[in-house]
Amino acid sequence: ETGVTQTPRHLVMGMTNKKSLKCEQHLGHNAMYWYKQSAKKPLELMFVYSLEERVENNSVPSRFSPECPNSSHLFLHLHTLQPEDSALYLCASSQDWTSGTDEQYFGPGTRLTVT
Amino acid sequence: GDSVTQMEGPVTLSEEACLTINCTYTATGYPSLFWYVQYPGEGLQLLLKATKADDKGSNKGFEATYRKETTSFHLEKGSVQVSDSAVYFCALSDLKPISSGGSYIPTFGRGTSLIVHP
Repeated sequence: ETGVTQTPRHLVMGMTNKKSLKCEQHLGHNAMYWYKQSAKKPLELMFVYSLEERVENNSVPSRFSPECPNSSHLFLHLHTLQPEDSALYLCASSQDWTSGTDEQYFGPGTRLTVT
Repeated sequence: GDSVTQMEGPVTLSEEACLTINCTYTATGYPSLFWYVQYPGEGLQLLLKATKADDKGSNKGFEATYRKETTSFHLEKGSVQVSDSAVYFCALSDLKPISSGGSYIPTFGRGTSLIVHP
């Protein structure tokens, strides 16, 4: 595997379910990100981790819970979601988030549908 | 705060037509500027970037010039192909203060959909 991978690619869950999204980066990067992409809305940054420490949380509801066990893996744990949480969830990584010139590398996303 | 404004789409063109997608920004510091592209069913990928005024980023026939005086970073291509059909995102990376210090967390525009017909 190369780049940034995400599993599953598609997920349908009920509002009372608990599920997790997984992201893995094979680039040796130090920072990882979760984004939410909804139709007709700007890309929303949810969480940022640098060297496994959470450094940014953009007022995301507590029904989304991130976990970063090491610099290569990032999880997003989901529970008691709402239909408006249906979206494409993108994971990204970058070499050094303290450098303004570094680009981000994105995974293909998980298409989440909450019923 | 920082913001990025892109022209609304969709932009619909015939193959071999010229493309311009406008992007303007506001930033408190001296940001780096990026264009990302998202093909159907995929995540975003970097198309080009520029890190200082008057720099020109280029890739795959696309170009954009960092214009500090007009705070713009317009994306251009002289002859588009059907395979260029995608959503294009303008983004900036500027220093932002956070509780543990400063960070360069990017700000993205809303994206512009490009549809190219044969």
